[in-house]
Amino acid sequence: KQEVTQIPAALSVPEGENLVLNCSFTDSAIYNLQWFRQDPGKGLTSLLLIQSSQREQTSGRLNASLDKSSGRSTLYIAASQPGDSATYLCAVPQGAQKLVFGQGTRLTINP
Amino acid sequence: DTAVSQTPKYLVTQMGNDKSIKCEQNLGHDTMYWYKQDSKKFLKIMFSYNNKELIINETVPNRFSPKSPDKAHLNLHINSLELGDSAVYFCASSQDQRRGGRETQYFGPGTRLLVL
Repeated sequence: KQEVTQIPAALSVPEGENLVLNCSFTDSAIYNLQWFRQDPGKGLTSLLLIQSSQREQTSGRLNASLDKSSGRSTLYIAASQPGDSATYLCAVPQGAQKLVFGQGTRLTINP
Repeated sequence: DTAVSQTPKYLVTQMGNDKSIKCEQNLGHDTMYWYKQDSKKFLKIMFSYNNKELIINETVPNRFSPKSPDKAHLNLHINSLELGDSAVYFCASSQDQRRGGRETQYFGPGTRLLVL
């Protein structure tokens, strides 16, 4: 059974700093890993999907890395902005049908 | 245009009542899902439908019954609501059920259910 853990549960940093969010998973036989963003009172928005054959995926100021062998992924956010404040969730497929989510990291960027 | 929409956004009701949440997607996707996010923010899948056919049915009380009139709609009906049913319910969709866990899923805004 796949389990996904995210550390830290909450993070608060000043605007402009670079930061890293961590995700670990127990079963390394995954097809991909996805990072989502959840804003308060809203649904989830997919940020990055990194395939198992990839080591990195970039979108703007976001960079996701994947190390399958160690069961870890990181989401790097460069030059953080107050608008980046949200909860960030990682998810991996269990089998082909469904996603297993971590508990999320609640990120606050202070102006 | 909203890709995945849910109604209502908020639902407050008494224990024992029966309620429904509706979901519609205009992305032309074949697969739709219902997730539950509890007070600790854990997001867990409940059901998955592909072209009106039930694909995934997690360990969910049979008071919860999904219904898919067509592949663009997946509604969730809950009978005899209990306090523990209070949560945020998210609908989602993806292109192909055979790859449902392998590709991007698009989420609705959520329905916040509070059972009193």
